[in-house]
Amino acid sequence: DGGITQSPKYLFRKEGQNVTLSCEQNLNHDAMYWYRQDPGQGLRLIYYSQIVNDFQKGDIAEGYSVSREKKESFPLTVTSAQKNPTAFYLCASSRNRGNTEAFFGQGTRLTVV
Amino acid sequence: RKEVEQDPGPFNVPEGATVAFNCTYSNSASQSFFWYRQDCRKEPKLLMSVYSSGNEDGRFTAQLNRASQYISLLIRDSKLSDSATYLCVVNAPPSNTGKLIFGQGTTLQVKP
Repeated sequence: DGGITQSPKYLFRKEGQNVTLSCEQNLNHDAMYWYRQDPGQGLRLIYYSQIVNDFQKGDIAEGYSVSREKKESFPLTVTSAQKNPTAFYLCASSRNRGNTEAFFGQGTRLTVV
Repeated sequence: RKEVEQDPGPFNVPEGATVAFNCTYSNSASQSFFWYRQDCRKEPKLLMSVYSSGNEDGRFTAQLNRASQYISLLIRDSKLSDSATYLCVVNAPPSNTGKLIFGQGTTLQVKP
């Protein structure tokens, strides 16, 4: 089945640690995105990538980093510089950089302990 | 002003009711519009795209008013399973960035 896979589903991080969230898609989509969702709030864009080896900052990129070495993969690293990382992280992809709908993975819930 | 604004609700309606949600967007150059559905603690899923001429999918009807910069979603004959949060989504110009902006969402609770 084609789709977007995020792992892990739940992640616990100690303060000061970097963690990497995985996102893989087999839809052959060009564009990929990372969003963050906090309780009772909408989705906020962290980073997005339109093609391999290229990505742009979203609205809340500080404390995060990404890479796009392969078309199907767009991992997100939450660094120790992110002051409030506890949130629900959603990865999405869309067919191309144009006006097409996005499809989401099941999300990763990150909790700082 | 938020780029995409929705009334967070909640909207509490009985089964069988008709309910409508509105969403306003700030950038008149936006070209693509969508409604997503998000269940509690789950990922958003595409409900329908919104076309200039309006479109219908079963009990769901979406409308776009470019002059007033708002999008609507109408749900007829509400079912218990329609209970969810409905997200309005608009692309951020220029269109070739692929960047999407999400509203906060409107929560719908359908009661027996």
